[in-house]
Amino acid sequence: GNSVTQMEGPVTLSEEAFLTINCTYTATGYPSLFWYVQYPGEGLQLLLKATKADDKGSNKGFEATYRKETTSFHLEKGSVQVSDSAVYFCALRSGAGGTSYGKLTFGQGTILTVHP
Amino acid sequence: DGGITQSPKYLFRKEGQNVTLSCEQNLNHDAMYWYRQDPGQGLRLIYYSQIVNDFQKGDIAEGYSVSREKKESFPLTVTSAQKNPTAFYLCASSIGGGSSEQYFGPGTRLTVT
Repeated sequence: GNSVTQMEGPVTLSEEAFLTINCTYTATGYPSLFWYVQYPGEGLQLLLKATKADDKGSNKGFEATYRKETTSFHLEKGSVQVSDSAVYFCALRSGAGGTSYGKLTFGQGTILTVHP
Repeated sequence: DGGITQSPKYLFRKEGQNVTLSCEQNLNHDAMYWYRQDPGQGLRLIYYSQIVNDFQKGDIAEGYSVSREKKESFPLTVTSAQKNPTAFYLCASSIGGGSSEQYFGPGTRLTVT
């Protein structure tokens, strides 16, 4: 079945540091890949997505590239801010075909804390 | 403003009682979903509904029930059969099933003692 593995957290950085959160996946076919962000006490918000190999998703300074050869979708940001402190979830959605089409599978989440 | 409403934000119940969590959306979305979130774990799908009067079990449906009598509403009942009901519950919706984006509500934190 499908699965998503994120790097162990929590991650603690100083403001303006470089961020990488690793995400690897296992899936059949051609899944779409997502990063969601959850601020304290809130629901999830879609941060960025990529729907095919070599696509780069980007939003609010965050980027992630769909690497089919390494089955990875690592999240990066060049200079984090205190306001980026949140929980980040990597997720995949199955491609067309099969009984699991459309279902989202999530990683366990990575807590990011950014200090001034 | 269009969006997904979940109420209440915090809910407390005694063990052995059924409890119903509300989820309402005014986005005119056909599909709706319920997820459970536990500390250190990703979200797990409980139930989903692609259309009114139809719903399907997700990965962890045991001890839960749902109904979809209206397009806008997808309430989740946590029954006394659910062995470990304390969790954060998130509702989501999408225009259709399959490839369309899912939008999430703010969540309800249920504590059962």
